[in-house]
Amino acid sequence: SAVISQKPSRDICQRGTSLTIQCQVDSQVTMMFWYRQQPGQSLTLIATANQGSEATYESGFVIDKFPISRPNLTFSTLTVSNMSPEDSSIYLCSVAGRSGTDTQYFGPGTRLTVL
Amino acid sequence: DAKTTQPTSMDCAEGRAANLPCNHSTISGNEYVYWYRQIHSQGPQYIIHGLKNNETNEMDSLIITEDRKSSTLILPHATLRDTAVYYCIVSITGNQFYFGTGTSLTVIP
Repeated sequence: SAVISQKPSRDICQRGTSLTIQCQVDSQVTMMFWYRQQPGQSLTLIATANQGSEATYESGFVIDKFPISRPNLTFSTLTVSNMSPEDSSIYLCSVAGRSGTDTQYFGPGTRLTVL
Repeated sequence: DAKTTQPTSMDCAEGRAANLPCNHSTISGNEYVYWYRQIHSQGPQYIIHGLKNNETNEMDSLIITEDRKSSTLILPHATLRDTAVYYCIVSITGNQFYFGTGTSLTVIP
């Protein structure tokens, strides 16, 4: 399976600030995705991080709020901008298209609390 | 949107088989059925997946009906460590996942 790390693992932030979450995978992958999991809820897809081009956002998510970068095939960042308490969630990245497997793997998640 | 429906919660006695159902009546011909387990809000862990044949790994089994409109994940000997939320997802290989609500399984001593 793929080894995926996320930084930070958790953070407590003040309203109005921004946080950038990093996702690193141990091998090149075709696809990288970002999800949000609000307290007590299931996972919701935020966007697909496209290497070398703008991310593809799901309905209800916009680039100004959740800018995403993907400079290469092993790394991506998600920024949560101008945070409010409603952004308190676990943010997870996942990867797919790793050579030799058709399985999607998830990172450990970043637990964000906004005060 | 999620294309699966699962019971919200289930209980299972320790040592007994846990049979977790999933309905996916609108599944397309090229979509796989994936199962993941999530423990204590950690990242979901891959369990098993299949296209149209039944699948088995070292621990669990996936039974897909002939019409592919439903499936069942079988944990043959549930342990306390199997207490988790189980997600059934249908997707084309390499594509994004749309999660449903999942089933919260509680294994009872």
